Amino acid sequence: DTEVTQTPKHLVMGMTNKKSLKCEQHMGHRAMYWYKQKAKKPPELMFVYSYEKLSINESVPSRFSPECPNSSLLNLHLHALQPEDSALYLCASSENPGLGNTGELFFGEGSRLTVL
Amino acid sequence: AQKITQTQPGMFVQEKEAVTLDCTYDTSDPSYGLFWYKQPSSGEMIFLIYQGSYDQQNATEGRYSLNFQKARKSANLVISASQLGDSAMYFCAMREGPVDSSYKLIFGSGTRLLVRP
Repeated sequence: DTEVTQTPKHLVMGMTNKKSLKCEQHMGHRAMYWYKQKAKKPPELMFVYSYEKLSINESVPSRFSPECPNSSLLNLHLHALQPEDSALYLCASSENPGLGNTGELFFGEGSRLTVL
Repeated sequence: AQKITQTQPGMFVQEKEAVTLDCTYDTSDPSYGLFWYKQPSSGEMIFLIYQGSYDQQNATEGRYSLNFQKARKSANLVISASQLGDSAMYFCAMREGPVDSSYKLIFGSGTRLLVRP
């Protein structure tokens, strides 16, 4: 079983809805990530949080709003999405850089989002 | 510019045979890391194997081995004794960073492997 837990596993929302995706890890990792994956495409980085601060935003539209309430939790708030935002949203975490750490990302099972 | 290239969109292999999935990369950083992840239809990204740029030996993890040719900038995944459960999408990825206590992984386009009984 993955040690990164994402909820919900499936989400269907209308373009006027507001919803949130949640991610939780208890491995003591201080870096957490949101990736977006369209069908038959590789994951694309959206956001990176390091020590609960946003460190990377890959020019993601403002209708996606990340939040890191504490070192174990990562949220992605969704508002006024478009049908083309339908995708698998993957959360990941990693150990702090240091001797012996490879930079491996530990992924959750993803939240599959459909925007109608 | 694309930095990770997987040229095989799809591959077939007979059960119990070995298969090689290709990956080439491009970086000017002397310190980098290369990963292979497996993604079954369920969606989870499963870590398979890691190779660091300074590692002298090719990485191995059970039935997985990485054929690392640094001068050619290739990091091919070899799966020995294929099993039906190996049918999945396989992604090669390269680590950039660390950047501000985090890592930036860039993924290749993936190879879909189908194991035939």
